Amino acid sequence: EPEVTQTPSHQVTQMGQEVILRCVPISNHLYFYWYRQILGQKVEFLVSFYNNEISEKSEIFDDQFSVERPDGSNFTLKIRSTKLEDSAMYFCASSPYPGHLVSSPLHFGNGTRLTVT
Amino acid sequence: TQLLEQSPQFLSIQEGENLTVYCNSSSVFSSLQWYRQEPGEGPVLLVTVVTGGEVKKLKRLTFQFGDARKDSSLHITAAQPGDTGLYLCAGPKNYGGSQGNLIFGKGTKLSVKP
Repeated sequence: EPEVTQTPSHQVTQMGQEVILRCVPISNHLYFYWYRQILGQKVEFLVSFYNNEISEKSEIFDDQFSVERPDGSNFTLKIRSTKLEDSAMYFCASSPYPGHLVSSPLHFGNGTRLTVT
Repeated sequence: TQLLEQSPQFLSIQEGENLTVYCNSSSVFSSLQWYRQEPGEGPVLLVTVVTGGEVKKLKRLTFQFGDARKDSSLHITAAQPGDTGLYLCAGPKNYGGSQGNLIFGKGTKLSVKP
């Protein structure tokens, strides 16, 4: 079964550094998402992306975050100047149609654990 | 603010026992989804319930959506060690108006001992 793949599985970075988290969504999917899960807390929506544009973003997704689909297969999340509180598991997801449709469930990757020291 | 509260937070049972976990909100949701998440992995969708009062079965798992679409339950019959994991409920923000913006509960961490 096709799956969403994320790299790296674990990223350690120093506060203030930039990180890029990478995702390869399922090939025929058109809608892409980033979620994060701080240890012990809920999975939280960050951003949705369709047709090379951000469709929706949460209040967490401030100016330090950006997303890009640099080519036909990758979808990236960049954090410009990492803070300690950015430490979390970051999940990429994709869906064939808009994710609120029952027929279009989100498929999640296994996440990148980001540790900011 | 839409919130999904899950209970219990932790549940440890013996193999063969039955259990029910709950997902409650004061808000109405257009649909609710149940996911299972294993350590080091992403959430995997189990089921989506859409109609108030709907019951869906997935082998030994029975999911129910409340009549008012504010709550859902997951019942597992004869639990097995392979059922161990974190069970999450989630629903679309803004009554289905958001594209993939899901609100998650904190989850029920289930441990089934052989």
